[in-house]
Amino acid sequence: QVQLVQSGAEVKKPGASVKVSCKASGYTFTGYYMHWVRQAPGQGLEWMGWINPNSGGTNYAQKFQGRVTMTRDTSISTAYMELSRLRSDDTAVYYCARDDGYNPWAYYYFDYWGQGTLVTVSS
Amino acid sequence: EIVMTQSPATLSVSPGERATLSCRASQSVSSNLAWYQQKPGQAPRLLIYGASTRATGIPARFSGSGSGTEFTLTISSLQSEDFAVYYCQQYNNWPSLTFGGGTKVEIK
Repeated sequence: QVQLVQSGAEVKKPGASVKVSCKASGYTFTGYYMHWVRQAPGQGLEWMGWINPNSGGTNYAQKFQGRVTMTRDTSISTAYMELSRLRSDDTAVYYCARDDGYNPWAYYYFDYWGQGTLVTVSS
Repeated sequence: EIVMTQSPATLSVSPGERATLSCRASQSVSSNLAWYQQKPGQAPRLLIYGASTRATGIPARFSGSGSGTEFTLTISSLQSEDFAVYYCQQYNNWPSLTFGGGTKVEIK
């Protein structure tokens, strides 16, 4: 069965960086785009961007361009999202979410989600 | 950026009753709309894509309709496990993807 297992909670100081991992199993990792979505406490969902695990190509939401980097390691079926220059309003649960389309086609909606990783930014 | 507006923010419904949730797009998204359910402390779960196609394993009491700018998610007879927050998401304007603010369905 498809599973996305994310790394554990993080506490960071303002200005620092955080790197969240998402290990995929139960399917061909390179066959599906991986997206990252975040959710601030008590708030809605915000899409951050995607990575094509096959090519390594990425696309980031304009809001995060220059601060976010999405990478992957196909040898261990793991995607990563790194966010730099953290601010207090980056405190959120960060989710990885698999695209429902099969590479090279992406559908841009999400059929499987990781369990979420809480990132807290506080001095 | 396409803005997605959901209404109402909170919907109070008794078990067994019908719930109707709305989602409006600031410009046409054709039928490129998905609905998700999120329970407290859990990740979202895909319910509907293509505005009206149920995802794998989703009960038939969930149905989606609409196209263009107006969409509806209907839960025909609310079960206890259906009380949750529901989000719509447009994917017509890719690679820019946007969600609505959510509708909380609570027990009346």
